Formats: sequence, C-alpha cells, structure tokens
Amino acid sequence: DIVMTQSPDSLAVSLGERATINCKSSQNILYNSNNKNYLSWYQQKPRQPPKVLISWASTRESGVPDRFSGSGSGTDFTLTISSLQAEDVAVYYCQQHYEAPYSFGQGTKVEIK
Amino acid sequence: EVQLVESGGGLVQPGGSLRLSCVASGFSLSTYWMHWVRQAPGKGLVWLARINNNAKTTNYVDSVKGRFIISRDSAKNTLYLQMNSLRVEDTAVYYCARGPYFFDIWGRGTVVTVSS
Repeated sequence: DIVMTQSPDSLAVSLGERATINCKSSQNILYNSNNKNYLSWYQQKPRQPPKVLISWASTRESGVPDRFSGSGSGTDFTLTISSLQAEDVAVYYCQQHYEAPYSFGQGTKVEIK
Repeated sequence: EVQLVESGGGLVQPGGSLRLSCVASGFSLSTYWMHWVRQAPGKGLVWLARINNNAKTTNYVDSVKGRFIISRDSAKNTLYLQMNSLRVEDTAVYYCARGPYFFDIWGRGTVVTVSS
C-alpha cells in the first residue's frame, strides 16, 4: 500500500505570509502513459466535509482562489498558500488516487500566527 | 443541485451491524466511481472502499475487508455501506464521495458510534 506522509503536522503563519505544506508518497504516483500525478489536495474546516482544492497535483479546481497552488511530481509534492487569509485556517490533506487503497496524508493544521 | 446525503448512522454495540446510505441528487451514481471515507473523532481521513460505475469492481482498505460491503442501487440512485462485526475503533463520521479519482463532491457525513 502507498503511504502518504505530510510535513509539518502543523504550522502557524502570519496573515499575508506564505504557507507551504509538503507531501511525500512511499512510491511513484506519476502514471507514465498520461504523464499525470495522481495526487490531490483537500481543505477541511471544522465541522465540514473536506473540499478538493487541487487535482492532478497542480490543477486548481473551479472556484478555488489563485493563492492556492500545487506542485511536484513522482513522490514529492507541495501545496502553497501564497498569502494566508483568515478563512484559510483549516486542516489540509494530500491524497493519492494512483491505486487502491486511496490513502491520505495525516493532515497539516494551518493556523494564524 | 449536485449533492450527496448520508444517513443510517447511530449507536451500535460492538459486534453489531449498520447499513449506511448515501442518496445522490443532480447526477447519476451509475456514471461515477463512488467511495466511502471515514474520520474518527479528532483524527484524519481514512479511505475505506470504492465501487466502480457498473458496480462490478469493488476495493477495500485492509482494516474493513471482510466486514464492510459497498454496493449501489441505481434505481434509487443510492450508495450503501453495510458494516458488520463493528468494533469500537470503527467509531467515526462516515462520508460518501464522488470519484473516480479525486473526490469532487462529498456528503456532510453520518456519525457511527460503536460502544457498549
């Protein structure tokens, strides 16, 4: 099974500053035949279901602010919030959908410093 | 409006069974892979199971394999999760989500509590 490991577990960032979350998969999740990384990022606010922010490692979903961006390939991925806003306080998860079981990272809690 | 609504959660004793339902509206379940994900209190997300669009392929995480069964009723546009031999550690919020790969639509979840 593929294990997803996020770092850090939590971070506190000042309003307007950059937040960076890393995600590492235990094996390659780049599918060579279509050159897609089977990696997505979710945001979960308290008492809400998760919401997809980024699919295929770097494709921002409709309606997601452009301060959110995803990068990386193969086994190492990054979610960046370029200018943290108060409404971005949440837990962020990466997930691989390369093969079942579709594992999630353990989550990164983002707070305001 | 495209949405998923789960139901069927509740309090059950260890060793008991529950069947969760997830009603889809605004789209047909038979055109999507569907998934169940759970979240124990204060913990992270755990993917549990998926069923493909023609309901001929299912996959499970090891921790529920042989105890949980994912299924679908196309006429009712409803996804199910039959949960048997429940354990205390199965206590969680259970979400259904639309695939096939990343999950673009989630329900609000139904709470399952396994306790004596």
